[in-house]
Amino acid sequence: DADVTQTPRNRITKTGKRIMLECSQTKGHDRMYWYRQDPGLGLRLIYYSFDVKDINKGEISDGYSVSRQAQAKFSLSLESAIPNQTALYFCATSKGLAARDTQYFGPGTRLTVL
Amino acid sequence: GQQLNQSPQSMFIQEGEDVSMNCTSSSIFNTWLWYKQDPGEGPVLLIALYKAGELTSNGRLTAQFGITRKDSFLNISASIPSDVGIYFCAGHLTAGGTSYGKLTFGQGTILTVHP
Repeated sequence: DADVTQTPRNRITKTGKRIMLECSQTKGHDRMYWYRQDPGLGLRLIYYSFDVKDINKGEISDGYSVSRQAQAKFSLSLESAIPNQTALYFCATSKGLAARDTQYFGPGTRLTVL
Repeated sequence: GQQLNQSPQSMFIQEGEDVSMNCTSSSIFNTWLWYKQDPGEGPVLLIALYKAGELTSNGRLTAQFGITRKDSFLNISASIPSDVGIYFCAGHLTAGGTSYGKLTFGQGTILTVHP
């Protein structure tokens, strides 16, 4: 079974709709992250969480919000989706903050906003 | 903010050929990482480099951490069809004695291997 899972894997929605992407992990890691991937831009950090009580904005947090419901669950919401939020979204986890604490990525959610 | 420039953006090679890709940064990093993303999957860590000048191998993969701490390269020898995917470099910086595990990613190199 996958250690980091994301649901849904694919989603098509319309402009203005509220969307939630979910991430679950069985690795027991405290640190969780949300990235978006766009062609030619690599992965950019949206939000990250050190633990259930600690949420931090990344470099592109505008238009997004997150919720850390439990150590194992970290959700990303688009309150009112817009077409330029069409992208591939990845959740990741890590044990700690050090460079040697590898980030493990989920399989991604492909979101299309029409 | 920090930016990583990764090149080339894409490569089309024949099976058996060697591959080289690199990343340069406008500022220094303490750690360089190389990830591979298979189609439909998330990135997976291939190699991690922790010291300037470090040269590390993982099977047919070899990566180096540049002396200036502003660059890194990845070589793949004797490519095979399963090497197909997107390769990302990523830099990790510890600032002021603390780190929140933030990675800065390059734009990615799309590798196609023809049998």
